[in-house]
Amino acid sequence: DAGVIQSPRHEVTEMGQEVTLRCKPISGHDYLFWYRQTMMRGLELLIYFNNNVPIDDSGMPEDRFSAKMPNASFSTLKIQPSEPRDSAVYFCASRDTSGQGANSPLHFGNGTRLTVT
Amino acid sequence: AQSVAQPEDQVNVAEGNPLTVKCTYSVSGNPYLFWYVQYPNRGLQFLLKYITGDNLVKGSYGFEAEFNKSQTSFHLKKPSALVSDSALYFCAVRVSGNTPLVFGKGTRLSVIA
Repeated sequence: DAGVIQSPRHEVTEMGQEVTLRCKPISGHDYLFWYRQTMMRGLELLIYFNNNVPIDDSGMPEDRFSAKMPNASFSTLKIQPSEPRDSAVYFCASRDTSGQGANSPLHFGNGTRLTVT
Repeated sequence: AQSVAQPEDQVNVAEGNPLTVKCTYSVSGNPYLFWYVQYPNRGLQFLLKYITGDNLVKGSYGFEAEFNKSQTSFHLKKPSALVSDSALYFCAVRVSGNTPLVFGKGTRLSVIA
């Protein structure tokens, strides 16, 4: 089990550029979550998917943010255009509810540290 | 709406001493409670959970947590702290079903040799 895989680990970009963050969830997991972590706001849930379908995107801060999950093994979070206040660590997490249901924990990737200058 | 409070931003403890990291929650319905740990430059790792049953739950690395319904608390404890326990600890809650976890702001634990 390779765990949740995120790429890139670090991204530095200039304001106004498009940024795409990638996530490969654990095989067989039916839920995928995108979180953002900053010192000021802690961990914020941005959006989550169930069986590749977006369920709740109310945490997405602005229209500049979008997320897709074209298949069960891949998701992207895109910011276009990026701004300095988007600088944060972005985490992807997945979960398997087929067995334990509400008992099942989240499994996190190691995150992408985004710096927008 | 569900919420989690971790009243301490920072906890310092000497190696070998017992440690407690506090967490209180607010939910409508029965809570599913979790503790996660985050080491530098890593994602969060699951430590333990309370779903139902025994109020004292045991988890990874010698940690345990006690569910107290009357005080709506789920404090994380360890009898003897190690320097390697130094990390950021998050408490989280969800209500029954497949609602997302709501995380507290985290408590930074420093264990001093």
